[in-house]
Amino acid sequence: AQKVTQAQTEISVVEKEDVTLDCVYETRDTTYYLFWYKQPPSGELVFLIRRNSFDEQNEISGRYSWNFQKSTSSFNFTITASQVVDSAVYFCALIRGGSQGNLIFGKGTKLSVKP
Amino acid sequence: DGGITQSPKYLFRKEGQNVTLSCEQNLNHDAMYWYRQDPGQGLRLIYYSQIVNDFQKGDIAEGYSVSREKKESFPLTVTSAQKNPTAFYLCASSIEGRAYNQPQHFGDGTRLSIL
Repeated sequence: AQKVTQAQTEISVVEKEDVTLDCVYETRDTTYYLFWYKQPPSGELVFLIRRNSFDEQNEISGRYSWNFQKSTSSFNFTITASQVVDSAVYFCALIRGGSQGNLIFGKGTKLSVKP
Repeated sequence: DGGITQSPKYLFRKEGQNVTLSCEQNLNHDAMYWYRQDPGQGLRLIYYSQIVNDFQKGDIAEGYSVSREKKESFPLTVTSAQKNPTAFYLCASSIEGRAYNQPQHFGDGTRLSIL
């Protein structure tokens, strides 16, 4: 069975702090893709990143960085120098290779960044 | 601007009533999806469609129905058989239905409540 666990339900930080959102996944497939989405208060999900199971390189995009480690089945997301606009619910998701459309979502982590 | 439009933003249903949620996209995407989001939960897939005139059940299809008569439209009907319809409903689309690893783009959602 496939599963995505985001153990942190809510995190609160003060602006300019760094924060890491954890994501642990379970799958028996060798080919799979991992995603992070951001859900601001307006409700729509915004795509942040996609990573395939064969690419363990970490990625940095501005203040965002992602650490993918197959050995621990983790795909963690770090925001450096957080800003109030980063306040949102963040979802990690998994899709198996060959599965058409069936993303498995974690329950999300609500991040609050206070000024 | 290209995107996904969901309407209405808020919807109220009386007991025993069917209601239809609208989802329109002008991204020229082949695949479309409907998700349900409950408080503190991740998204769960209701139905998806990889191509016009074809759709598949997701994890929680009971009490819901869809149609895909046009590429740009994928309406969701919440029937009276759905006993607990109060939730936030999100529609999404992706470029190619058979390319399972493509990011999904989301609408702003419809919040459905029972009167």
